[in-house]
Amino acid sequence: NAGVTQTPKFQVLKTGQSMTLQCAQDMNHEYMSWYRQDPGMGLRLIHYSVGAGITDQGEVPNGYNVSRSTTEDFPLRLLSAAPSQTSVYFCASSYSGQRNEKLFFGSGTQLSVL
Amino acid sequence: KQEVTQIPAALSVPEGENLVLNCSFTDSAIYNLQWFRQDPGKGLTSLLLIQSSQREQTSGRLNASLDKSSGRSTLYIAASQPGDSATYLCATHITGGGADGLTFGKGTHLIIQP
Repeated sequence: NAGVTQTPKFQVLKTGQSMTLQCAQDMNHEYMSWYRQDPGMGLRLIHYSVGAGITDQGEVPNGYNVSRSTTEDFPLRLLSAAPSQTSVYFCASSYSGQRNEKLFFGSGTQLSVL
Repeated sequence: KQEVTQIPAALSVPEGENLVLNCSFTDSAIYNLQWFRQDPGKGLTSLLLIQSSQREQTSGRLNASLDKSSGRSTLYIAASQPGDSATYLCATHITGGGADGLTFGKGTHLIIQP
């Protein structure tokens, strides 16, 4: 199994551009989430989903949009990129969203906004 | 709001030593606490998950303890090896209202000297 796959691995954007970070998992996990990791800060939750058709906001949702049309995919959209969104983005999933399950992470997308 | 602190921020020890990484959190109303390992340029790998009703979990040379009442967890690594060099992160999953996700510490960067 591939686990959690994120694409692209690296991306450079200009301020104001939009883009979609892709996340796919092949483990039939119901719960999926997006985090960002910035130097000197812990990972912070952006958005999450407990199943297809259900999404909710995390700690830092502004400037990001998500949808969950299938169990496998959970894309993260940057609507109008800003330099403050320069970060490493991680997608993570777990089986059913029950709170005592380990979280599986993708390898990350490094995004630079100029 | 939950805050998770990890001490020390960095640690360098000779191979073979036993070592302890510390994690503290401000809100004891947690479902669980997880310890993760992050290698440079990679995603996070869950090492141990301690449910709120448990006191410790063990996996190989790793042992994690949880004291909910004092808001502390420790990760004990026995007989350290150069391959243990990585950043170790702890994270809590809190109960009650709010976003359904983890709150992370900033991590301890561990170097094991051969």
